[in-house]
Amino acid sequence: GAVVSQHPSRVICKSGTSVKIECRSLDFQATTMFWYRQFPKQSLMLMATSNEGSKATYEQGVEKDKFLINHASLTLSTLTVTSAHPEDSSFYICSARATGGNSPLHFGNGTRLTVT
Amino acid sequence: AQSVAQPEDQVNVAEGNPLTVKCTYSVSGNPYLFWYVQYPNRGLQFLLKYITGDNLVKGSYGFEAEFNKSQTSFHLKKPSALVSDSALYFCAVRPTAPGAGSYQLTFGKGTKLSVIP
Repeated sequence: GAVVSQHPSRVICKSGTSVKIECRSLDFQATTMFWYRQFPKQSLMLMATSNEGSKATYEQGVEKDKFLINHASLTLSTLTVTSAHPEDSSFYICSARATGGNSPLHFGNGTRLTVT
Repeated sequence: AQSVAQPEDQVNVAEGNPLTVKCTYSVSGNPYLFWYVQYPNRGLQFLLKYITGDNLVKGSYGFEAEFNKSQTSFHLKKPSALVSDSALYFCAVRPTAPGAGSYQLTFGKGTKLSVIP
């Protein structure tokens, strides 16, 4: 089955630094990937849609200059949290869709970001 | 805009008993419906989907879901619960119309399932 690899699984950084999270589709090509944020005991909140070779589409209220998304190839999308602050601490999850109109989304295992 | 409701924050069931996790939806037109499971500090794993056809959909790990158009529901079921089924379950819907955003999923808030030994 389709596998999405997300790295790192956990990261701790100091306030003011930047952190990059990678999302790779291992055995399929993904023209579109999605980035979600999940708060404790809450559902997933869509942050942005990442399109290969073009700019990402951000959801309302998500700062595009803070959450930089790059989708440089059909198998890799990256999310960079710039100038991180403690309130950015969260669980970030990426997903990708294989080709085929009704294919389900496949999710990475998520990245637990802690900003100290 | 579409929405998903999971009315129960938590469901407790004894091991070996049947389980049901409820989900209702609101969407224009015909829905595409999904169930995902999330284990602690992990991403979501796909369980099953309803696109069209039989209202009863069978998925991974013995789970199934029944699509009921008149009640706009898509409840997740399993005949005999296992302790290892304990996890967070998400129902999701996406629009069927093609175009921008057509593959974005709208998730319910999740239901925590606890299977008691």
